[in-house]
Amino acid sequence: DQQVKQNSPSLSVQEGRISILNCDYTNSMFDYFLWYKKYPAEGPTFLISISSIKDKNEDGRFTVFLNKSAKHLSLHIVPSQPGDSAVYFCAAMRGTSYGKLTFGQGTILTVHP
Amino acid sequence: KAGVTQTPRYLIKTRGQQVTLSCSPISGHRSVSWYQQTPGQGLQFLFEYFSETQRNKGNFPGRFSGRQFSNSRSEMNVSTLELGDSALYLCASSPRLAGTDTQYFGPGTRLTVL
Repeated sequence: DQQVKQNSPSLSVQEGRISILNCDYTNSMFDYFLWYKKYPAEGPTFLISISSIKDKNEDGRFTVFLNKSAKHLSLHIVPSQPGDSAVYFCAAMRGTSYGKLTFGQGTILTVHP
Repeated sequence: KAGVTQTPRYLIKTRGQQVTLSCSPISGHRSVSWYQQTPGQGLQFLFEYFSETQRNKGNFPGRFSGRQFSNSRSEMNVSTLELGDSALYLCASSPRLAGTDTQYFGPGTRLTVL
């Protein structure tokens, strides 16, 4: 049972434009969501997170939006840069399940110069 | 602050052997979680330790075990290795603060089982 889904395996964007990565979840008990960026053979790097009590969190070029009624979150990267090319994972956790993140399958983002 | 460190970075074993992987969390972090990443299954949670106690466990067989020491360093052990255990094993640490539990990952240990 895939509780966190990233339905787009890949996304290609031109440098300077907006990248929008999407994530859906099915478990309504999730109350904390995170986005990670990952390069091959490296560990995921934390990007940004959002608590379920918020609907938006912004950090520099990265903004995460949460729509609880739709059980959907998205990561916006503006402007996109070639160095953003990587695999992006969304992850979710329940407040009572510390330390256990449930990950989506990842989206490969390619930013073309 | 130094990040999460994992040793060794690469390991080659044969079927039936056992292996121990080590993880040192970020200084001050008390929670350590372990994940397995494979091409087919993605990133899957193995277990989490906090204050030397296993608090959470994923759906993995008993061949996978771990422990945490008083200095928060953690080890994970896989016994009777199978070919399917070949994966990138990732360790993550967090400060374990209520309401926000961002985990920071190490570079991983690449285990190859022949």
